[in-house]
Amino acid sequence: EADIYQTPRYLVIGTGKKITLECSQTMGHDKMYWYQQDPGMELHLIHYSYGVNSTEKGDLSSESTVSRIRTEHFPLTLESARPSHTSQYLCASSAAPAGGSDTQYFGPGTRLTVL
Amino acid sequence: GQSLEQPSEVTAVEGAIVQINCTYQTSGFYGLSWYQQHDGGAPTFLSYNALDGLEETGRFSSFLSRSDSYGYLLLQELQMKDSASYFCAVSLNQGGKLIFGQGTELSVKP
Repeated sequence: EADIYQTPRYLVIGTGKKITLECSQTMGHDKMYWYQQDPGMELHLIHYSYGVNSTEKGDLSSESTVSRIRTEHFPLTLESARPSHTSQYLCASSAAPAGGSDTQYFGPGTRLTVL
Repeated sequence: GQSLEQPSEVTAVEGAIVQINCTYQTSGFYGLSWYQQHDGGAPTFLSYNALDGLEETGRFSSFLSRSDSYGYLLLQELQMKDSASYFCAVSLNQGGKLIFGQGTELSVKP
């Protein structure tokens, strides 16, 4: 059973506010990911990390930033939220593969609405 | 660029068998995964193929043909709880990122 947590689950906030979406996992996984998903659409990778102090931008350009100071924690920050940031944000983690699938375990997501 | 194609929606009845296809064109290929997502919740891993052939996990099976850049997910003995979105995803390299398809919404009718 995967143990990956996201808070808050739902967030409604006004334009221009700074927000941080939290993601934590207790599995000791080296790799962590942030995806953005609009309703009924595919998951777009916006950030990923292969270990502490390692972060990379994903395939979808995003104005958000991330940090990875501890293995278990991978927060995502928006300095100034805009209505275009309204979406669901999913966090995932995976272990380094041992020749098998690099299964990703997902958190429940944060549904962000920016007014 | 990278592209994965899968049908946007499929409808089937309880007890039936349904196949969800996925074709891909990617710059690299290490394996094909399938994930299930209920109502926009957390996607959960279903199956993985790195080599050609069929992998069976209970009611779910997944097939891969690397030469055809094609795979499918087969769901047998459909149940109402199988109504969900199903995503195929390509691993570009070992331990690398996943590229997801647009998802197939499966509706199971009584």
